[in-house]
Amino acid sequence: GENVEQHPSTLSVQEGDSAVIKCTYSDSASNYFPWYKQELGKGPQLIIDIRSNVGEKKDQRIAVTLNKTAKHFSLHITETQPEDSAVYFCAARSAGGTSYGKLTFGQGTILTVHP
Amino acid sequence: GAVVSQHPSWVICKSGTSVKIECRSLDFQATTMFWYRQFPKQSLMLMATSNEGSKATYEQGVEKDKFLINHASLTLSTLTVTSAHPEDSSFYICSARVYLGRGTTNTQYFGPGTRLTVL
Repeated sequence: GENVEQHPSTLSVQEGDSAVIKCTYSDSASNYFPWYKQELGKGPQLIIDIRSNVGEKKDQRIAVTLNKTAKHFSLHITETQPEDSAVYFCAARSAGGTSYGKLTFGQGTILTVHP
Repeated sequence: GAVVSQHPSWVICKSGTSVKIECRSLDFQATTMFWYRQFPKQSLMLMATSNEGSKATYEQGVEKDKFLINHASLTLSTLTVTSAHPEDSSFYICSARVYLGRGTTNTQYFGPGTRLTVL
């Protein structure tokens, strides 16, 4: 099945700096890669996603890049703000095998933005 | 984005009792719903996948007789934790996905979660 590794586990930045979180996946059949933000005591909220036929996608301060050959994708947050502080999860959805259609999550990154 | 609700948001129960958690997609019809479990400071672990009108498919290691899932309609799925024990205490999160066809994103949206504490 799919295996997703996420790094770093914690990330601390100053307000206004950029933050980058990286994920690698194992299943070359995976074709959809969403990123979720989870605040304490709440459910995950989709912030951006990318399909395997696209290399990069941007939405205001948030961008995601995908390298299919290397099987890794990254979340980039620019001009970070204190309200960006949360746990971020990457995920990969397989398009084949026993994991078809299921999201496999990374371990999560605790992002702290200091004012 | 689409809205998924869960009820209750938190519940405390005695050991041995059963607890039902409801998950609703409020503004779209969900052909598939998922139930996840999350322990403190850990990632989400998929428990089961359910399609409307079909039996749920459980992940390896998840007891189907303990975690009963019913996907009665395109907007409602329920998870019943039967004979709950303290080790069942966790954060349970449902997720709903609408199928728009092959080649589309079929985005998955999550509910706010239900905190279950079994005494």
